[in-house]
Amino acid sequence: SYDLTQPSSVSVSPGQTASIPCSGDKFGHEFACWYQQKAGQSPVLVIYQDTKRPSGIPERFSGSSSGNTATLTISGTQAMDEADYYCQAWDSGVMKFGGGTKLTVL
Amino acid sequence: EVQLVESGGGLVQPGGSLRLSCAASGFIFSDYDMHWVRQAAGKGLEWVSGIGFAGDTYYSDSVQGRFTVSRENGDDYLYLQMNNLKAEDTAVYFCAREGPEAMHYLDVWGKGTTVTVSS
Repeated sequence: SYDLTQPSSVSVSPGQTASIPCSGDKFGHEFACWYQQKAGQSPVLVIYQDTKRPSGIPERFSGSSSGNTATLTISGTQAMDEADYYCQAWDSGVMKFGGGTKLTVL
Repeated sequence: EVQLVESGGGLVQPGGSLRLSCAASGFIFSDYDMHWVRQAAGKGLEWVSGIGFAGDTYYSDSVQGRFTVSRENGDDYLYLQMNNLKAEDTAVYFCAREGPEAMHYLDVWGKGTTVTVSS
């Protein structure tokens, strides 16, 4: 099996840029995607195929991937972006999630 | 409106069984791969199982041999049969749709159903 590693927490000031990395040795030949989960709610897809944004997701959310690390970036972070964020990948019939990053906007 | 609604959760004793259901609506269910993802209280997301639109199945190591995923395309339902349940299976179980073209991301999620395994 393989693991996806994320920091457990990231803090950012309102209006600043938040970056959440996710490392995994499958990146490079497998796409990463990202989910936002607010307290008491179901996850919401915010980035897929490394860089694509689903309809309805604000432009301040972007994704990138280089080497073994995928990164979710939130530009001009707003208070409403405070949530848990999970990266996810698929390899050989197994779907894997990162452990999740709690984004605090303070 | 695209929607997934889970049901069937509840309290069950260790070693017991439970069958979860997921009703899909608003899209052509038979065209999509589907998955179950769970989340224990205060913990992260854990993938449980997936099933292709043609019926091929996939399981995490933690449930292989105990859980069985199935689908009824005619009725637009996804199921998860859970046998020999353990305390560590206690979680909210989400049904989720995989995006098109086998890109392995989950673009639609249900609200979840809670499974509690306890004596």
